[in-house]
Amino acid sequence: EVQLMESGGGLVKPGGSLRLSCAASGFAYSDFTMNWVRQAPGKGLEWVSSITTNSSYIYYADSVKGRFTISRDDASDSLFLQMDDLRANDTAVYYCARLLSSDFWSGFAYWGQGILVTVSA
Amino acid sequence: SYELTQAPSVSVSPGQTARITCSGDALPKVYAYWYHQRPGQAPTLLIYKDTKRPSGIPERFSGSSSGTTATLTITGVQAEDEGDYYCQSADSVSRYWVFGGGTKLTVL
Repeated sequence: EVQLMESGGGLVKPGGSLRLSCAASGFAYSDFTMNWVRQAPGKGLEWVSSITTNSSYIYYADSVKGRFTISRDDASDSLFLQMDDLRANDTAVYYCARLLSSDFWSGFAYWGQGILVTVSA
Repeated sequence: SYELTQAPSVSVSPGQTARITCSGDALPKVYAYWYHQRPGQAPTLLIYKDTKRPSGIPERFSGSSSGTTATLTITGVQAEDEGDYYCQSADSVSRYWVFGGGTKLTVL
């Protein structure tokens, strides 16, 4: 069974940093592109970042480019999101998500339960 | 930047057909995806590549795309189908994903 479990969320002050982790299990992690998606309280979904296999290609939404860094460790089946210079509008539940298949265009089929990040003074 | 537009809300009676649309200038060239989200839960992928349904998704969910509009059709709506529905697409060159603003489905 595919399982994704986020951790590392919490309360941080504006301008601060936080590192999210996503532990994956139940599948061949190194074979899949992984993604981060966030959802501000009461708002819709927003794609944040994607990282392909072997970290060959990395993509960021314009809203986080230059502040967030996605990475993966295939040895430990883990995905990370380093978030720096956090702003109030980064407050959201952050989800890690796996594609349905190794096809980049197969859709975000598996999601973690989400982790809340709150940026507030 | 690329945008997808959805109506904020749709209401339908049980057993009826609900159609949720998503408009985007690039949809003639890129795939559309559909997700369902219940309050407090992670989204569920309903449709990928315009029309394909992942295993385990009921047949009452179907997708289509024509021109700049993608449509999710729910045939024989059930109470459990209430929630928010999001379309998604991506720029095929930049590989930037984008979500629509979401449509809240109410089953009357």
